[in-house]
Amino acid sequence: DTEVTQTPKHLVMGMTNKKSLKCEQHMGHRAMYWYKQKAKKPPELMFVYSYEKLSINESVPSRFSPECPNSSLLNLHLHALQPEDSALYLCASSQTTGLPGYTFGSGTRLTVV
Amino acid sequence: DQQVKQNSPSLSVQEGRISILNCDYTNSMFDYFLWYKKYPAEGPTFLISISSIKDKNEDGRFTVFLNKSAKHLSLHIVPSQPGDSAVYFCAANSYNAGNMLTFGGGTRLMVKP
Repeated sequence: DTEVTQTPKHLVMGMTNKKSLKCEQHMGHRAMYWYKQKAKKPPELMFVYSYEKLSINESVPSRFSPECPNSSLLNLHLHALQPEDSALYLCASSQTTGLPGYTFGSGTRLTVV
Repeated sequence: DQQVKQNSPSLSVQEGRISILNCDYTNSMFDYFLWYKKYPAEGPTFLISISSIKDKNEDGRFTVFLNKSAKHLSLHIVPSQPGDSAVYFCAANSYNAGNMLTFGGGTRLMVKP
C-alpha cells in the first residue's frame, strides 16, 4: 500500500458545526502532515506529527485541532470555522521528518457556509 | 518572504515540444529540491527530485537541472504530452531546518495537441 487515504473527499459544514477530517496511511511512515491549500496558491503547512507527537504547529487557530491516535491515523477536528477556512486540506506522510519527499493524499475539499 | 518562487504562473506548449518550468530560491540552506505535479481536486504527486550535491537528474521524459550558484532549478519535459497538463510545484527542504517542505507558487502547464 503506497497511498495516503483521506476522507471525506468533500465536506460542506456550517459555522456552528463540528466535523472531522481523517487521514490514513499504511506505509509505516512515522511523520504525518496537514496542509491547507487555497485556490491558485501553494500548499501551506499547518501541523506536523512525528512519532505520534505534535512537533510543529504553524500558528494555526484553535478552531483546528489535530489528533494522531496511532502511527497510521491522523485526524483534523474542525469547530466554529469561518467561510475563509474553505480550502483543500491535504494530508501527507513521510518516513520520518528527517527524510525528504512526502506522499500526499487527494485532499478534502472543505466548504464552510 | 517567499523563499521559493516560480515566476511564471502559466506556460503553454505544443505537444511534442519541450516544456521548461523554472524555479528560484533564496535560502542557501536548502539541500534537496522536488517537483510535484497536481491535477485539479487531487493532492500533489511527486515527480522528480534532486539533491544539492548534483546538478542534473533524469527520469524518462523529465529532467531537473540545478544551478546552485544562481539558486535556480528547472524542470524539462521532453516531449511534452497533453496528459502533462497540470500545475507543477517546485519545493525545497533543508535537513538542518527540520526537513519541512517549502513550496513555490506553482506553474500551470498547458500542452496543446
